[in-house]
Amino acid sequence: DTAVSQTPKYLVTQMGNDKSIKCEQNLGHDTMYWYKQDSKKFLKIMFSYNNKELIINETVPNRFSPKSPDKAHLNLHINSLELGDSAVYFCASSGFSPGELFFGEGSRLTVL
Amino acid sequence: GENVEQHPSTLSVQEGDSAVIKCTYSDSASNYFPWYKQELGKRPQLIIDIRSNVGEKKDQRIAVTLNKTAKHFSLHITETQPEDSAVYFCALSGGSGGYNKLIFGAGTRLAVHP
Repeated sequence: DTAVSQTPKYLVTQMGNDKSIKCEQNLGHDTMYWYKQDSKKFLKIMFSYNNKELIINETVPNRFSPKSPDKAHLNLHINSLELGDSAVYFCASSGFSPGELFFGEGSRLTVL
Repeated sequence: GENVEQHPSTLSVQEGDSAVIKCTYSDSASNYFPWYKQELGKRPQLIIDIRSNVGEKKDQRIAVTLNKTAKHFSLHITETQPEDSAVYFCALSGGSGGYNKLIFGAGTRLAVHP
């Protein structure tokens, strides 16, 4: 019974396309996140939502648009994909702040 | 803003030796300091954390120490085993970015050789 699940696990697409990654958590947490991990393994926060409200929006291009239909879901839509968007995108949730982040398995995006 | 520097970037030890990874930070308001382990192809997972009102915390073979005055914290792994091989990330929150914003170090790739 996976705590934080994200789909798809792998995406391979062409430059200029649009893609979405979905995330769901069944931990009852109020806060969810998107992190980007580049090829050098650097983990950088992109967005955070608390109970469907956006609370953190790092300097991310506006081609990236998160959506939280309810507090258990946080999806990420990316428009006009670029080569530099290739990375592993991790969804995470936490029950209280500051506290443990529970990460999903990651979605590896490859832009050709 | 918050920033955390992590050293070394790679660490190679013999099985049974100790490993130490150190992180330094600039924002004195930071008050939560977790460590995450990421095995190859897997997700990061919390292994230990410490809050600013504590100087040291231990859990079996791993320990974390915090020096708030010098603004650094360290992860200590004793009696290393091959399964400790992974990338380790320090992180922090509670400073100017607030409690929800966890900032990660660049990671240390630990290799434990049998």
